[in-house]
Amino acid sequence: QKEVEQNSGPLSVPEGAIASLNCTYSDRGSQSFFWYRQYSGKSPELIMFIYSNGDKEDGRFTAQLNKASQYVSLLIRDSQPSDSATYLCAKGTGANNLFFGTGTRLTVIP
Amino acid sequence: DVKVTQSSRYLVKRTGEKVFLECVQDMDHENMFWYRQDPGLGLRLIYFSYDVKMKEKGDIPEGYSVSREKKERFSLILESASTNQTSMYLCASSRTGLTEAFFGQGTRLTVV
Repeated sequence: QKEVEQNSGPLSVPEGAIASLNCTYSDRGSQSFFWYRQYSGKSPELIMFIYSNGDKEDGRFTAQLNKASQYVSLLIRDSQPSDSATYLCAKGTGANNLFFGTGTRLTVIP
Repeated sequence: DVKVTQSSRYLVKRTGEKVFLECVQDMDHENMFWYRQDPGLGLRLIYFSYDVKMKEKGDIPEGYSVSREKKERFSLILESASTNQTSMYLCASSRTGLTEAFFGQGTRLTVV
């Protein structure tokens, strides 16, 4: 079983809609979770991190973590064409390691 | 502003050559990572280092080695390059405790 699993998509949503990106992970000991955005030809950049169960909001982005279900998600409200990118879920372990999922490609249609 | 700098953006090497990819960070981060990124496979960890001269194997260390003689520099070495090592290589760094990881601009390596 992979450490982090994501639906590779592609996911298409109309402009202004909510985009929902999901990620499941193995190892209940995982403590920290990250969402990165990667534009084509560019390096990943951090959008949000979450450590505790529940929701964390930052502007149009909301990360949700459910440790019992080993599930983390990212919601993007009022999606914009500039949000079109690949979104990478990552989990951190106590050994200072960082495991990434394969990424979900999101397209926001104007 | 955190900066992670990789020595080359594009590199073309011949099969069997020894290849060095260099990465330097300027934020005094303890952790440094080397990933390769391939379509459909995402980011796969090759090696990481949590301190000078310390290294740990990631998911796909075969055919690679690393060196960290100074805190700011982490080198990835392809001992004998092969065509299946053609890929995008990404270096990253972070503080201990696994806060945000910052990435370099990537090196696209082609082995012919």
